[in-house]
Amino acid sequence: DAKTTQPTSMDCAEGRAANLPCNHSTISGNEYVYWYRQIHSQGPQYIIHGLKNNETNEMASLIITEDRKSSTLILPHATLRDTAVYYCIVGLDDYKLSFGAGTTVTVRA
Amino acid sequence: EPEVTQTPSHQVTQMGQEVILRCVPISNHLYFYWYRQILGQKVEFLVSFYNNEISEKSEIFDDQFSVERPDGSNFTLKIRSTKLEDSAMYFCASSELLAEFYEQYFGPGTRLTVT
Repeated sequence: DAKTTQPTSMDCAEGRAANLPCNHSTISGNEYVYWYRQIHSQGPQYIIHGLKNNETNEMASLIITEDRKSSTLILPHATLRDTAVYYCIVGLDDYKLSFGAGTTVTVRA
Repeated sequence: EPEVTQTPSHQVTQMGQEVILRCVPISNHLYFYWYRQILGQKVEFLVSFYNNEISEKSEIFDDQFSVERPDGSNFTLKIRSTKLEDSAMYFCASSELLAEFYEQYFGPGTRLTVT
């Protein structure tokens, strides 16, 4: 599976959009990009996934560059409950998720 | 909303003892997983399970570990002879199918402390 690079941490103001970057320059053509998050010691929670096209669901939007070497997770209106570690994962299938260190996002009032 | 449940929430055991961690996956899910997270470290894949057999396992999942689906609802992880380094949070997860992407639903975890 391709490796991902994410910033260690970032702050975000409550009510503002949070843009979380992820670099996956070695991604192969059929590998998906998945995003999960982990709120303080709870089990990870699925957010969104994509292959080539941008995706949006009720939680977030995923923007994937045309060359697929990077992506951005967008939380449109961050709330205090969005404070968590966010993981960008790249892989061929979802049955063996390889978590990295992720980005610790702190949403401030 | 259906959820994955795990028991116990916290298990304390002595080194060398056997422990069984229990999980009840979401009822219509067919794939089951165990992950672990040592305090302060990343979440690590242990094993995936489908159709009553292991689909894939990591290097961590050695002969000390085993998984079982003893009945139609439970999914268990057994550690035969615990070591200090087995202390971690253990997460169970389940998903519907693998034909195309299906998200993994994680349980709240069992904190295992080996003394």
